[in-house]
Amino acid sequence: KNEVEQSPQNLTAQEGEFITINCSYSVGISALHWLQQHPGGGIVSLFMLSSGKKKHGRLIATINIQEKHSSLHITASHPRDSAVYICAVRYSTRNQFYFGTGTSLTVIP
Amino acid sequence: DAGITQSPRHKVTETGTPVTLRCHQTENHRYMYWYRQDPGHGLRLIHYSYGVKDTDKGEVSDGYSVSRSKTEDFLLTLESATSSQTSVYFCAISSTGTSFSSTDTQYFGPGTRLTVL
Repeated sequence: KNEVEQSPQNLTAQEGEFITINCSYSVGISALHWLQQHPGGGIVSLFMLSSGKKKHGRLIATINIQEKHSSLHITASHPRDSAVYICAVRYSTRNQFYFGTGTSLTVIP
Repeated sequence: DAGITQSPRHKVTETGTPVTLRCHQTENHRYMYWYRQDPGHGLRLIHYSYGVKDTDKGEVSDGYSVSRSKTEDFLLTLESATSSQTSVYFCAISSTGTSFSSTDTQYFGPGTRLTVL
């Protein structure tokens, strides 16, 4: 059983829609990482956060430590946002990252 | 983009043969990692290195060995490949590791697709 759960597994949206991808985990963490995997397979780091909220362009990541939950939001979605979005956590008692299985996003023009 | 390359990018081999994958970085980062990615699983750590000749096991290390004789190169070896090792392998690097106080991100290589027949 994967210790990091993402939802939804698949998501299709119309261009311009606001998108939310969720990540939940089971125990205390020291950091959470959002990554983007392009259709060609390359993986890019989007955000690393341990509390609060971070914003970069149209992407916003939030984390609620008490609820053990993080969200990745995409505003004004565009077809180039089509990718797999992966959440990873570093637990407070373990010195490595554990990855979710990813959310596959398709944005239709 | 961080300077990370992996070779080969694609490989098909037969069960029982040895296979070595190479990860090369030009960033002089101390930490290097090997992950595998399989459908239905997230990325899983195989081995990592925290310096030249310093390595440690990850959660799926059985059947794999690693070596790091230079800062820039991290090799992953499958001594006797099995079909269960068919996967996409990613190398990653970071400058301060995944220790509890680190906020450093990891940079990923392009991946190697390995098929074991």
